[in-house]
Amino acid sequence: GAGVSQSPRYKVAKRGQDVALRCDPISGHVSLFWYQQALGQGPEFLTYFQNEAQLDKSGLPSDRFFAERPEGSVSTLKIQRTQQEDSAVYLCASSPDLTSGIQETQYFGPGTRLLVL
Amino acid sequence: GENVEQHPSTLSVQEGDSAVIKCTYSDSASNYFPWYKQELGKRPQLIIDIRSNVGEKKDQRIAVTLNKTAKHFSLHITETQPEDSAVYFCAATQTSGTYKYIFGTGTRLKVLA
Repeated sequence: GAGVSQSPRYKVAKRGQDVALRCDPISGHVSLFWYQQALGQGPEFLTYFQNEAQLDKSGLPSDRFFAERPEGSVSTLKIQRTQQEDSAVYLCASSPDLTSGIQETQYFGPGTRLLVL
Repeated sequence: GENVEQHPSTLSVQEGDSAVIKCTYSDSASNYFPWYKQELGKRPQLIIDIRSNVGEKKDQRIAVTLNKTAKHFSLHITETQPEDSAVYFCAATQTSGTYKYIFGTGTRLKVLA
């Protein structure tokens, strides 16, 4: 079946612009994560949703970052007033239902590469 | 907080040789350890994982070992092939709470033909 998809794949923004990054998880997956991957580094956790509930947003670097998943499926990561240090790949991952205690694997999307000029 | 260290950062091997990548974690509550392969510009792909109630797991040319006492786990690739060239990431997580993955910094593996 279809995997996790993300759009756009590439985004160039001028410093100060707002951007919105979309994630379509695997159909039926309850858990959804956002990660930020800087060049040459491992992904770093941003936020986690269980259905529409945002249960952990401790990794969001500032109040310019906001994520939502209003219907428990598609999620959007929004960055306001972008800064150069926001340049990175933003990865989305989904998992069937982590609370079941059975499946811990997260399936990743291809990412959105954001470049802030 | 949880920290995962990964070594080496780069690794070059001749085709057919073995490659070993090592990770250590800090949180003794971690109980699930996946390994991902990421090719340039592509999504991370799970290649193998291990749970804390198992010491070793093997899948064809790939194996992972876990030492809970020492809090370290390793990826072993045997009979390496050029298509194994990629960046490999280890991760650690707990199957409770937030479930977030803590990733290592990655190992760039080059398999020389």
